[in-house]
Amino acid sequence: GQQLNQSPQSMFIQEGEDVSMNCTSSSIFNTWLWYKQEPGEGPVLLIALYKAGELTSNGRLTAQFGITRKDSFLNISASIPSDVGIYFCAGRNAGNNRKLIWGLGTSLAVNP
Amino acid sequence: EAQVTQNPRYLITVTGKKLTVTCSQNMNHEYMSWYRQDPGLGLRQIYYSMNVEVTDKGDVPEGYKVSRKEKRNFPLILESPSPNQTSLYFCASSSNSYEQYFGPGTRLTVT
Repeated sequence: GQQLNQSPQSMFIQEGEDVSMNCTSSSIFNTWLWYKQEPGEGPVLLIALYKAGELTSNGRLTAQFGITRKDSFLNISASIPSDVGIYFCAGRNAGNNRKLIWGLGTSLAVNP
Repeated sequence: EAQVTQNPRYLITVTGKKLTVTCSQNMNHEYMSWYRQDPGLGLRQIYYSMNVEVTDKGDVPEGYKVSRKEKRNFPLILESPSPNQTSLYFCASSSNSYEQYFGPGTRLTVT
């Protein structure tokens, strides 16, 4: 099935640094979502975006729905050790409302 | 507490021995789904259900069966497990099919 192009694949940063990751699609999406998976657990929804250009924050996390509707970005400011995990983007294609298309994830490690 | 539960959390079995992984949600969600997660391949959808008695194939349905007789339960059945079904399995539920709540996962090893 279709997959989203998520980058970077992995990041290793120092505590306190800001983090950016993004997700792109070859087709237009009408919903973008960002999930975080911590070790040994299932993914948890962080932010959901429904409108092109939308910018939404959740604490130190900010995500944007790209204007072209083919991309989305997630930023984490002032990273802390508990930000460690895998961040997945997922989107809903305008042509199929029934399923999510997933990125392969960005693995984030934070050095205290 | 709103949650999705899966059982068992860990399972080691042998090739060909039928098994069922249960999934239950207490949020009255209509949509439920099963995923498998493998290194380097991300989350791949196996089956999903839009409502009771309504199920449909995801991206990797071969070797799996599901049923949805009640709204809260969505068991995953492996009639004849094979080693290539060794994986981490997640059940998820949602009120709208995209804001999904995931269970804690079931790690299955087939020898």
